[in-house]
Amino acid sequence: QSALTQPPSASGSPGQSVTISCTGTSRDIGAYSYVSWYQQHPGKAPKLMIYEVNKRPSGVPDRFSGSKSGNTASLTVSGLQVEDEADYYCSSYAGSYNLMFGGGTKLTVL
Amino acid sequence: QVQIVQSGAEVKKPGASVKVSCEAFGYTFTGYSIHWVRQAPGQRLEWMGWFNTGNGNTKYSQKFQARVTITRDTSATTIYMELSGLRSEDTAIYYCVTSYYDLWSGVYWGQGTLVTVSS
Repeated sequence: QSALTQPPSASGSPGQSVTISCTGTSRDIGAYSYVSWYQQHPGKAPKLMIYEVNKRPSGVPDRFSGSKSGNTASLTVSGLQVEDEADYYCSSYAGSYNLMFGGGTKLTVL
Repeated sequence: QVQIVQSGAEVKKPGASVKVSCEAFGYTFTGYSIHWVRQAPGQRLEWMGWFNTGNGNTKYSQKFQARVTITRDTSATTIYMELSGLRSEDTAIYYCVTSYYDLWSGVYWGQGTLVTVSS
């Protein structure tokens, strides 16, 4: 199983919006609504930001939103803040009780 | 407050095995899924496998299928991940992750266990 495809980097200025894509196939993202997004700051464990494509766990700001179209999922961060600078990973259920992660995107807040 | 606590860092020689433990405080594993995810230095997250606490079943990533075993102790409070045939490429931080909202999203993460494989 290869990884889901994410752009290596993304950037935006404070207050702007940025969208990170996560591309899979019709056997994973395209087939199921179990897409999650994680934020990881250096030296820290990942933190769940979005689950089931577009749901936010308790405590996650509504500046973070998720969506899916076909085989591609997206994470949008609105009103960028300095503390949003981190690595972001998507994951998707891939059938047959398998899970897969994306390659990760480094978000820089300029 | 939920806390997932993993065992401490390990240094192993190539060919050896390592067993990492994962214990929950303020949370019960029962009814939720437990995944093991690893991250080599500067690399992406990599899913290794999961344990279904509902029926005790496991499923491993094809990449690790021949070398990884996830088990639960009889008291059902501790989960273990054992990786055998270690090689230098297995040097990574190993995370225990548990679900809450659904079986496939990880809400509670352990602090990570650094496993270093070196001769």
